[in-house]
Order: sequence, then structure tokens, then C-alpha cells
Amino acid sequence: DAKTTQPPSMDCAEGRAANLPCNHSTISGNEYVYWYRQIHSQGPQYIIHGLKNNETNEMASLIITEDRKSSTLILPHATLRDTAVYYCIVRLFNAGGTSYGKLTFGQGTILTVHP
Amino acid sequence: GAVVSQHPSRVICKSGTSVKIECRSLDFQATTMFWYRQFPKQSLMLMATSNEGSKATYEQGVEKDKFLINHASLTLSTLTVTSAHPEDSSFYICSARSGQSNQPQHFGDGTRLSIL
Repeated sequence: DAKTTQPPSMDCAEGRAANLPCNHSTISGNEYVYWYRQIHSQGPQYIIHGLKNNETNEMASLIITEDRKSSTLILPHATLRDTAVYYCIVRLFNAGGTSYGKLTFGQGTILTVHP
Repeated sequence: GAVVSQHPSRVICKSGTSVKIECRSLDFQATTMFWYRQFPKQSLMLMATSNEGSKATYEQGVEKDKFLINHASLTLSTLTVTSAHPEDSSFYICSARSGQSNQPQHFGDGTRLSIL
């Protein structure tokens, strides 16, 4: 699976948008971009994933550049409860078979939302 | 959304004890389950991958005889830490994925294992 690079930490004011960048310059055509977050002492929580189109759900938006070498997770209105470690992961998939890549966690970005 | 339940959430036991951790997918069939370990201030490290009805595949450096994994049904996997020692103290997290190609993995809330 392709390696990702994220800033180690970011701050955001409550109520503002949090934009978390991720670089995955070696991503291949059959790899998805996944975002998870981990709040202290809990298991990771799935946020969103995408292949090449921008995606939006009730939690966040995912913007993937046209060349797919980077992406940005957007939390539109950050709250204190969004303080967590955010992981950007690329995962191999095989649409026609049973072989799926592993989720390999890097160090992630520690997002701190302050009042 | 998909729910993965892990039990127990915390275990404290004496050195030499074997500890079993259960992981259940509550509302979907998990063809593949994963076990991770996380030490303080570190990221999650994958220990092993198991497919229902098959032997688990262990990551390099993980002792298969020490960390026994059973995935006997599509909703249950167990991890047994045999003859646990203080260095096995860690946060163990399971994860499950359905058979659909690009569906996300969902994680349990982890088990805090402390060996005295």
C-alpha cells in the first residue's frame, strides 16, 4: 500500500472548518483513500473514503486532487469533540476478486479543536 | 452504521495467565477480521488478518503460538494471548470488514490489557 504523509499536528478554532491535508504521491490506480480518526483510548472511527471523485457525508468532505497525489479532509464546523488523531490511509482493492489491501496506520495528524 | 463489539474492554491479570478477547460484528457478516495492537503514544500495528474458516495470516514479528486467533464464524473472532507477560500489556483492537469490495473496515473500541 502507498505511503501517506500528514502533518503531525494542527489546531482549529471551534466552529471553523478544519482542513487536514494528506500527501499520497505514490498512489496507484486501484487504491482508495480512507480517513479514520481515533479519539483517546477508543478504536478508530471510519470517516470517509474515495477513489477519485470528491465525496461528502454527514461527517466530512473529502477532496482528492485530479492527479490523486493528495487529498484534504474537511470538517466543516469543527467542535471540541472532533479533537482526535486523524489517519489518512490508502488501501488496495481488487474489484473482481478476494484480495484487499491492509489498512496500515501511520502517525496521523493530531487535531486539537480549541474554544 | 456498522458496529463491531469487543469484549472485555479492560483486563488486568497476573503474569502467566492466558487472556481471551472477543470481537463480534453485530450487524454485518465479517468475512475478514483484523487484530491490531497499539502501545502508548504509538500508532496501530497490524498483528494478523483472518478470514472466516481459515488460518490467520500473521504479520512479520508476531508470534502465532503466542497470539492465537480463531475466526470460526462470520460474526466472531477471538484473540487469545497465551502465557501473557508484562511486555504484552497493550491496547488490542479488532476490526472487521464485509466481503464487499470497497466497503470500509470498522473497529471495535479496544481492550486494554495490563499484565502485572
